Amino acid sequence: EPEVTQTPSHQVTQMGQEVILRCVPISNHLYFYWYRQILGQKVEFLVSFYNNEISEKSEIFDDQFSVERPDGSNFTLKIRSTKLEDSAMYFCATGQSYEQYFGPGTRLTVT
Amino acid sequence: GIQVEQSPPDLILQEGANSTLRCNFSDSVNNLQWFHQNPWGQLINLFYIPSGTKQNGRLSATTVATERYSLLYISSSQTTDSGVYFCAVEAYNTDKLIFGTGTRLQVFP
Repeated sequence: EPEVTQTPSHQVTQMGQEVILRCVPISNHLYFYWYRQILGQKVEFLVSFYNNEISEKSEIFDDQFSVERPDGSNFTLKIRSTKLEDSAMYFCATGQSYEQYFGPGTRLTVT
Repeated sequence: GIQVEQSPPDLILQEGANSTLRCNFSDSVNNLQWFHQNPWGQLINLFYIPSGTKQNGRLSATTVATERYSLLYISSSQTTDSGVYFCAVEAYNTDKLIFGTGTRLQVFP
């Protein structure tokens, strides 16, 4: 069964550094999402992406965040200048219509 | 925005027991999904169930859209069922999933 994959599985970075989280969607999926989960809390929506543009974003998704599909396959989330409070598990999700399929997540630790 | 509430927040079972988890939501939805978050933090899709009933092995789910709730049934629970179960909904005119706060299930041998 096709799966969403994410790399890296765990990233440790220093405050102020840029990080790029990568996702490989299921091949025929057209809708892409990023969510995050701070330890012990519920999963929160960050952004949705369709037809090469952002279709919806949350208040969390400020100017420090950006998304793109640089090569038509990978889907990336960039955090320009990380803060301690960005430490969380970041999930990529993809879908063809309403159902969303989640990747295994990238655990980001900002020190 | 839409509110999603799950109950109970915590559940402790002995292996072999059955359980029912509930998800209430405050508005009409065009998507409802149940997930299991395992001890490694991965979110495993269990059901896509905006309405009706589905079964997959020992798990089944029912969504009554008109009454704005969904139920997840776990029968003959096993220790590997332990983890957090999340319900997530997508309201009309949006494409984001709103997650509930989850039910933490612990199954002991």
